[in-house]
Order: sequence, then C-alpha cells, then structure tokens
Amino acid sequence: EAGVVQSPRYKIIEKKQPVAFWCNPISGHNTLYWYRQNLGQGPELLIRYENEEAVDDSQLPKDRFSAERLKGVDSTLKIQPAELGDSAVYLCASSLDSQVLETQYFGPGTRLLVL
Amino acid sequence: GNSVTQMEGPVTLSEEAFLTINCTYTATGYPSLFWYVQYPGEGLQLLLKATKADDKGSNKGFEATYRKETTSFHLEKGSVQVSDSAVYFCALSDHNTGNQFYFGTGTSLTVIP
Repeated sequence: EAGVVQSPRYKIIEKKQPVAFWCNPISGHNTLYWYRQNLGQGPELLIRYENEEAVDDSQLPKDRFSAERLKGVDSTLKIQPAELGDSAVYLCASSLDSQVLETQYFGPGTRLLVL
Repeated sequence: GNSVTQMEGPVTLSEEAFLTINCTYTATGYPSLFWYVQYPGEGLQLLLKATKADDKGSNKGFEATYRKETTSFHLEKGSVQVSDSAVYFCALSDHNTGNQFYFGTGTSLTVIP
C-alpha cells in the first residue's frame, strides 16, 4: 500500500514569491492534516480536513496561507507571499477518520527555504 | 490545554546501552499517547501507541507505558542499535479536538558503535 505522497520534496524561493505544496493521502483516508515543523521543533497543526471540508483551520495564518481539498482526496497548501519565517518542513498526514484511535500516517514532507 | 514535554537532546549512547526518553503530558481529557520516529531524510513513522491508562505500547524492542498518575509516557529500550539513531517525538491526540495531535519538540538519538 502506498503511503502519503508529497511533492515537491524541496523548494527554494525568494521572499514575496508564491509557493504551493501538494499531498496525496493514503487511499480511503477521509481525514487529511497539514502540519508545519520548524527546525528543532515538533510538528504543529495548520489545518484538518474531513473529506473536502476544512473542519479546523484555527492555526492557519489566513492572510497568506490557503488550502484546498476539492474532491476530498488530494490537497494543496499555498503560501502567497512567502516570508522568511515560513522556512520549515510542511508535513501532510492522513487517517481513516478523526476518531481518537486512528493513527495518523505522515508523508516525507516538503522542505521550504525562503531566501 | 494540551501539551507534551520531552527531555531535551541530543542523546548519544553506545550500542547495546539502555535508552530512556522521558515524556510528560498535560491534557484536558483522556488522550491517546504515541511515539513517532523520524529517521534522517524520512517522514514521521508511528513507533508505538497506547490508548488508555496502564496500556503498554511496544514495537521493535521499544516500550512505553501510559501512566495516568504521573502523566507520563516514557520511551525505553533495553539495548539500542546504531540503526535506532533518529529523532523521537512523543505526541498525544485528543478526541475532544478531532484527533488533533500535539507533539513534543523531539529528542535526537545517536547510537555509536
């Protein structure tokens, strides 16, 4: 079974440029999460989807970040414009649903460097 | 609120040494507890989990017991190997917040031959 797929794996951009990350969750997983992991820190949740609905986006900086999961499968996270402080690893995870016993499976992440 | 506190690293051990990585948590409800491992260049992988008090999670020689009385979930392994070198994250999930995960800051482990 394929795991969570993310692309690109690495991205280097200049500040004020836009950037987008793509995630394909494990087949059949209804819940999708985007996390940001700063250097030396644990992941922090940005947004959670149940199918195509964003049910928790309280930690998403909405002035510059946006996300979508139009058909309830793949998801895209966008930053526009990027700032120096956005340099981090962006992780996507999925689970069957959001019940507490469900394990979250993580992708390899996209490492973003903003210059 | 919910939070996880891990012992700070980095930790360096010789092969076959005993490993303990401390993890304590605060939670508003009754969380599930997890240890995830991140090998160099790879994503987070579930190592083990426990869903209620006194449960013991185990995998690949690692163990952790859910201690409600001390709000702890310490990770242990009796004899580490070089291949165990990675960053270990303690995490909790709270069903009150839709299975949102709260991660510790991670503990880097290096095992030397």
